[in-house]
Amino acid sequence: NAGVTQTPKFRILKIGQSMTLQCTQDMNHNYMYWYRQDPGMGLKLIYYSVGAGITDKGEVPNGYNVSRSTTEDFPLRLELAAPSQTSVYFCASSYSREDTQYFGPGTRLTVL
Amino acid sequence: DQQVKQNSPSLSVQEGRISILNCDYTNSMFDYFLWYKKYPAEGPTFLISISSIKDKNEDGRFTVFLNKSAKHLSLHIVPSQPGDSAVYFCAASDDDYKLSFGAGTTVTVRA
Repeated sequence: NAGVTQTPKFRILKIGQSMTLQCTQDMNHNYMYWYRQDPGMGLKLIYYSVGAGITDKGEVPNGYNVSRSTTEDFPLRLELAAPSQTSVYFCASSYSREDTQYFGPGTRLTVL
Repeated sequence: DQQVKQNSPSLSVQEGRISILNCDYTNSMFDYFLWYKKYPAEGPTFLISISSIKDKNEDGRFTVFLNKSAKHLSLHIVPSQPGDSAVYFCAASDDDYKLSFGAGTTVTVRA
């Protein structure tokens, strides 16, 4: 049982490039989340999903897109990378709203 | 606007002593509170939680206290151990499933 896995671990992008951050969970969780953590700040919710085919915006969705075609996968897409998107990105999942969120190890992204 | 605040960025404590981490919140609709622990290069892991209907929850060496009138919660770790050295995040949610996180407190346990 791998839990929540994220790839890549690190990435450097140039301004204007695009990329997809991958997130997979093998716990059959319905809920999945994407957070970003900037230095000295708490985690902020970007997007979340309550099940396959259902996604919604969190606190800081601008510049990102998500999809949820399967229960297991919840990729985060950056279309036009900007320096303000330099951050550590965490994916998380939970069985239900009330349940504990389990986090992946994170992806450290730098946009230059 | 930061709805969950951890005003102490760091805390240093001697092994065997008590660690007390504090957290304040501004949203009176928050009804569920959690503490997460994070080691470097890892994701946060759940530590302990408390519902707003309680004022204390204990799990082994970890106890969380909630003071709703003051909009304040604290995490006590007794006794502190070297493996407790980590970043601790306070988080809160209301009747939806969105967590608001504090900025974290880095705990260093000295031998």
